[in-house]
Amino acid sequence: GAGVSQSPSNKVTEKGKDVELRCDPISGHTALYWYRQSLGQGLEFLIYFQGNSAPDKSGLPSDRFSAERTGGSVSTLTIQRTQQEDSAVYLCASSSTGGADNSPLHFGNGTRLTVT
Amino acid sequence: GNSVTQMEGPVTLSEEAFLTINCTYTATGYPSLFWYVQYPGEGLQLLLKATKADDKGSNKGFEATYRKETTSFHLEKGSVQVSDSAVYFCALTRRGFKTIFGAGTRLFVKA
Repeated sequence: GAGVSQSPSNKVTEKGKDVELRCDPISGHTALYWYRQSLGQGLEFLIYFQGNSAPDKSGLPSDRFSAERTGGSVSTLTIQRTQQEDSAVYLCASSSTGGADNSPLHFGNGTRLTVT
Repeated sequence: GNSVTQMEGPVTLSEEAFLTINCTYTATGYPSLFWYVQYPGEGLQLLLKATKADDKGSNKGFEATYRKETTSFHLEKGSVQVSDSAVYFCALTRRGFKTIFGAGTRLFVKA
């Protein structure tokens, strides 16, 4: 079946503009995660959804970042007034039962954001 | 709280060498443990998992054993290939909590 789909795959924007990144998880997956990965770096946790609610959004770097999830499915990550330090690959992942014992995460291919 | 600690990289090996990437964790309760791999230019994918103590996960010649007594889940492979060059992430999941990842270990295998 279809995997986790992210769009756009690449986004170049000017400093100060707003951007919206989209994630379509695997159908039926209740948990959805957003991570950020800078070049050569590890995974930086941003936010975690269980259904439509976000029990943990402790990783959002500033109030310029927000995310929502509707219908227990699609999620959008919005970055307002983008800064050059926001340049990174933004990864989305979903899993079938959130914190269930043996549910691995399925990752999308990411959105590469470049702020000029 | 829950945490995962991995050995720092990069790790550079010659082809056919033995690989160990150390991973230790801190968690209450009974987490499940995972190794994910990210090949150059690709997304992260699950490599192997173990859901309870003494379980051994294995895939593509890689193995890791869930050791509760030492809170470890070290990744091993007996003979690495150039194609194993990638970044490896250790992770844990506990019911009702978000998945926690280690910092990742980059592996370079030379021909």
